[in-house]
Order: sequence, then structure tokens, then C-alpha cells
Amino acid sequence: KQEVTQIPAALSVPEGENLVLNCSFTDSAIYNLQWFRQDPGKGLTSLLLIQSSQREQTSGRLNASLDKSSGRSTLYIAASQPGDSATYLCAVPWRDDKIIFGKGTRLHILP
Amino acid sequence: DTAVSQTPKYLVTQMGNDKSIKCEQNLGHDTMYWYKQDSKKFLKIMFSYNNKELIINETVPNRFSPKSPDKAHLNLHINSLELGDSAVYFCASSQAWVTANTGELFFGEGSRLTVL
Repeated sequence: KQEVTQIPAALSVPEGENLVLNCSFTDSAIYNLQWFRQDPGKGLTSLLLIQSSQREQTSGRLNASLDKSSGRSTLYIAASQPGDSATYLCAVPWRDDKIIFGKGTRLHILP
Repeated sequence: DTAVSQTPKYLVTQMGNDKSIKCEQNLGHDTMYWYKQDSKKFLKIMFSYNNKELIINETVPNRFSPKSPDKAHLNLHINSLELGDSAVYFCASSQAWVTANTGELFFGEGSRLTVL
């Protein structure tokens, strides 16, 4: 059974700091891993999709890494801004094309 | 231009009623999904359709019936609503199966259902 865990559940950091969000999964036989952002009362916005053959993906100030063997992915946010405040979720496809989500990390950037 | 759109965004109704949520995607994707996000913000898949064909039915009560008139639309009809059905329901689509290289998911804004 695939389980996806995100630690910490909540994080507050001052504006301008670099930060790392963690995602771990129990079964390393994944096809890809996707990071999402969810603003309060809104849908999920795709941030980055890393294929199983890739080690990392970058988009602007975001960098996601994937280490399948250890069952971990990290989302690195550089020079954080108040607008980065949101819940960040990671998700992995599983058998029969189900997608297993973590419970998310609530990020609050302090101005 | 909204890629995945759901209506209504908010729905408040009495127990026992029947309601529908509509979803449309203009991305040309073949696969569409319904997810339920509970009060603890946990997302769980309910249904998946590929090119109008039901593929995943994740032990959802049969009061929930998805309908896909064409591959750009996936509607969710709920009969005899119960208090526990209160949640946010998200529609999503992907170009192909999420287990494929083009399996990036795109989500709608969600429909918040409150059953009184």
C-alpha cells in the first residue's frame, strides 16, 4: 500500500528565507510525483511534475527533487514571499491510476 | 480562459435532496476525475473516466453517480444527500493516465457542498 507523508504539517518562516518542504512515500515504484499549491477556498494548482527518471525539476524560485530509492521528494522555495503562503501538497500515481495525496504542509510567510 | 471549470462553486442543501455538480475541461484531455476533500483537507479519488468510460470507482456509495456525456464533461450527481457528504468536491483532468509521461493533473476550483 502506498502512503504519502508530508512533514511538517505547518510551517511559518520570515519573508526572504529559503525553505524546504518534505514529502515521503512508502513504495518507491512510482511513475512520477507532482507538487501542488492550494490557496484557501481554491483548487489545486500544479507547480512541478517530476518523472520517475528525473532527479529534479525547476520553475522560477521553486526546485523539486526526487530520490526514489529513499522514497523522498523535497520542494525548495528560494527567497520566500508572502504570496507563497498556501498549502503545498505532493501526490504520486499508484496502481490502477489512483493518485495518492499527502495531507499537505500549510506554509505561512511572515512579512 | 479557465482550463477546468466546475459549477456551482457553492451548494447548500437539505438532507435527502438530490444535487448535481458539473465539470468541463477545455484542455482536450482524455481523462477526468472527481476528488473529495474532507474537513481535514485530505484529498481522495472518487471516480475516473477515460474517454467517457468509467475506469475508477473508489468504493463510493451508489448514491453518487458520475456521468460523462463527452470527454470534455464529467458531471457528478448525488442522490439522497447525507450530512457526511458535506465536503469540497474537485474535478480534475489529465492528458493521459497519470501513470504516463503526460500525466500532469489539472484541477478545477472546487465545489463546496454543505448538507444541512
